[in-house]
Amino acid sequence: SYELTQPLSVSVALGQTARITCGGDNIGDKNVHWYQQKPGQAPVLVIYRDINRPSGIPERFSGSNSGNTATLTVSRAQAGDEADYYCQVWDSSTGVFGTGTKVTVL
Amino acid sequence: QLLLQESGPGVVKPSETLSLICTVSGGSIYDINYYWGWIRQPPGKGLEWIGSVYYTGGTYYNPSLKSRITISVDTSKNQFFLSLTSVTAADTAVYYCARDEPTGNWFDPWGQGTLVTVSS
Repeated sequence: SYELTQPLSVSVALGQTARITCGGDNIGDKNVHWYQQKPGQAPVLVIYRDINRPSGIPERFSGSNSGNTATLTVSRAQAGDEADYYCQVWDSSTGVFGTGTKVTVL
Repeated sequence: QLLLQESGPGVVKPSETLSLICTVSGGSIYDINYYWGWIRQPPGKGLEWIGSVYYTGGTYYNPSLKSRITISVDTSKNQFFLSLTSVTAADTAVYYCARDEPTGNWFDPWGQGTLVTVSS
């Protein structure tokens, strides 16, 4: 089965840029989606199809995908960006989520 | 605004069947453009896709759960359902329902989730 690997945690200083990676075999050939989950809340879609932001998601959130790594970038990090982030793909008619990354804003 | 709401028992005994309902409001489940999915999250752990259903009743299931799950839909009630048989403590999780966009298979929006604990 297809696996997606994310770093357990990422720390970022207030106002700086956080980059969260999602590794998978030839993930660049797939559509990657990203979700933000704050404690006690449901996940919220922040990026779909690698680079697209849903309505209401700040431009500070951006995505890229190439080779074996997809990346979610959070620019000008704010305290409210502190959350768990999950990548997700579709492989062989199966939804697959990444292991999740806890982002801490210092 | 599309809203999804999960409902069902908070506690299920081991070996019994977990049954959940997702009620969709602010939009129709009878929509050719979308599937409707279930995702779960054990306490303190990551997300796991369970399966998705189309308004016609067509389904996709997670192979790891396929032998135990049934997902169905009732368009007249704007609801879809999850049934998970022979539950164990490993099935304890927050269960979410969400709209599944089939051209890229992302999930948006999500319900608030409901915690189901498997315990005698």
